Amino acid sequence: NAGVTQTPKFQVLKTGQSMTLQCAQDMNHNSMYWYRQDPGMGLRLIYYSASEGTTDKGEVPNGYNVSRLNKREFSLRLESAAPSQTSVYFCASRGGLGNTIYFGEGSWLTVV
Amino acid sequence: TQLLEQSPQFLSIQEGENLTVYCNSSSVFSSLQWYRQEPGEGPVLLVTVVTGGEVKKLKRLTFQFGDARKDSSLHITAAQPGDTGLYLCAGSLGNQFYFGTGTSLTVIP
Repeated sequence: NAGVTQTPKFQVLKTGQSMTLQCAQDMNHNSMYWYRQDPGMGLRLIYYSASEGTTDKGEVPNGYNVSRLNKREFSLRLESAAPSQTSVYFCASRGGLGNTIYFGEGSWLTVV
Repeated sequence: TQLLEQSPQFLSIQEGENLTVYCNSSSVFSSLQWYRQEPGEGPVLLVTVVTGGEVKKLKRLTFQFGDARKDSSLHITAAQPGDTGLYLCAGSLGNQFYFGTGTSLTVIP
């Protein structure tokens, strides 16, 4: 009963490096999301995907790209990491009874 | 600018006290949810409210959705140390899902 799984859990990057955060859900949900969480800012939506093959920008998309590889997987890529992207990143999927959002455990990213 | 503003941002109270957390917006939401998040984990859903004026109770927690579906409140009666955590409201607008700024609650034994 995995739900939403995201990797890696922790990552340290140097400024300018690139990396991809992976996310997969096994609940057959159509909608998937990537959020970042910073102190005092709550959760801010980076990108979302309403269904396989579609992606849309959220509140803070600059510096990020996403890929909805298939219904299960939704990845987030940082092409050239900046210190301002130091944050905790959460992947989520939405569906089921009540259209509930389910979150992964988070990925702690530090850019130095 | 956050779509959903929560207040207070921080709250520290003694065990047994009551408290209310507010979630306000200028937008109308089709539904609004409350989540609780503990350190090192993702948010976990507490409740969903969908009808203007709706009140839902979950043990010592009472949730209310404003008549105009723009705001909500969470009231905790006789708070316990186990209630400590970050409380987040979230609203649904079409396919997008927006979160409030969060209220960090500490209940002191």
